[in-house]
Amino acid sequence: GAVVSQHPSRVICKSGTSVKIECRSLDFQATTMFWYRQFPKQSLMLMATSNEGSKATYEQGVEKDKFLINHASLTLSTLTVTSAHPEDSSFYICSARDRGWIGLAGGITDTQYFGPGTRLTVL
Amino acid sequence: GENVEQHPSTLSVQEGDSAVIKCTYSDSASNYFPWYKQELGKGPQLIIDIRSNVGEKKDQRIAVTLNKTAKHFSLHITETQPEDSAVYFCAASIPLLYGNKLVFGAGTILRVKS
Repeated sequence: GAVVSQHPSRVICKSGTSVKIECRSLDFQATTMFWYRQFPKQSLMLMATSNEGSKATYEQGVEKDKFLINHASLTLSTLTVTSAHPEDSSFYICSARDRGWIGLAGGITDTQYFGPGTRLTVL
Repeated sequence: GENVEQHPSTLSVQEGDSAVIKCTYSDSASNYFPWYKQELGKGPQLIIDIRSNVGEKKDQRIAVTLNKTAKHFSLHITETQPEDSAVYFCAASIPLLYGNKLVFGAGTILRVKS
């Protein structure tokens, strides 16, 4: 269980074009999904928090008009990189939060499961 | 804001030996601490997590310990195998209005030599 998919896995595009990346939770509903960016040999940097049916919350320094996020259903969030440039080339990873009850001892879980990532190369 | 420090940045061990990775966090409101394993070109995979109401959790060869007073938590891998070689990330939760978000450590490259 708790499988998250991303599509496409790799994309190469020309500078100035827009690219859409899909993130799906396959076997659970996710009211919240997260979008991360990862540069080579670096950690994961949170870009935005995507909540189903409402506007995304962007981290400081992330341009919301550049990285459009839509979370239209409980199993799908999309990230669109608009007017992509070579500096947008990176590994983009989404995660989906699976909320559940693990009993009186643990309470509500808040586990994030990650997708396999999308390698974006902008020429 | 929350800051998570992770050490060491690289760790080489002989197959069969143990590996320990340590993390410290700054926000006392953090109450959830997952560990992820990431292989080259793939997304992070959750391997174990711990919540603030327990001090230790074990799953086969993997264990995590948490010291809330000192604000540090550690990952212990025993009887390491070559397939344990990967990058490991610790994370600490930051409370949001609804749920949490995670702040990640810088990562540890683990190499298990056979």
